[in-house]
Amino acid sequence: SQTIHQWPATLVQPVGSPLSLECTVEGTSNPNLYWYRQAAGRGLQLLFYSVGIGQISSEVPQNLSASRPQDRQFILSSKKLLLSDSGFYLCAWSNKRLNTEAFFGQGTRLTVV
Amino acid sequence: DAKTTQPNSMESNEEEPVHLPCNHSTISGTDYIHWYRQLPSQGPEYVIHGLTSNVNNRMASLAIAEDRKSSTLILHRATLRDAAVYYCILRDVGEYGNKLVFGAGTILRVKS
Repeated sequence: SQTIHQWPATLVQPVGSPLSLECTVEGTSNPNLYWYRQAAGRGLQLLFYSVGIGQISSEVPQNLSASRPQDRQFILSSKKLLLSDSGFYLCAWSNKRLNTEAFFGQGTRLTVV
Repeated sequence: DAKTTQPNSMESNEEEPVHLPCNHSTISGTDYIHWYRQLPSQGPEYVIHGLTSNVNNRMASLAIAEDRKSSTLILHRATLRDAAVYYCILRDVGEYGNKLVFGAGTILRVKS
């Protein structure tokens, strides 16, 4: 069966510290992978999406970067966190045609202090 | 950018049907219409999707207009647990291909 693992569930980090959030997918190959962020009381903002290794699109200017070292692994990183990076981060995957449902991880609630 | 238009919020009474509309006038022939919902402090949950014909599953029904420029998500008997933000989504196309972009969605409030 298809599953998506995202960790950690919660994270409190000081301003200026690095960040690494990892997402892995099972039960499928060559998926589209996504990172979203949701600030408190706001909608889901697409940060990055990837259609394959080395093919990552950054959707908004930001302090974050994404990498896809393996087909089913997607990593969100920052060298120095800002207060404004606080939020709920979600990883997701879909097939290429978007003709079936997409699957979402449980999310990471990041608080930058 | 999201390619759908939904009302900001709707309210329903418990045990009554709810019809959540979505306009997607620029839909292309191969775009599937997806619906997800998000409960507070959780990630989005798949509800239903369809292409041309009306679709039913255990959660909801999806009624698609004949010209496909609009659709309606139908919850047959709303419960308090259905209170959530409902998103109607079409695929978007970016630099590298298809992507899933969320709009603001409709906040559904269910009254007991």
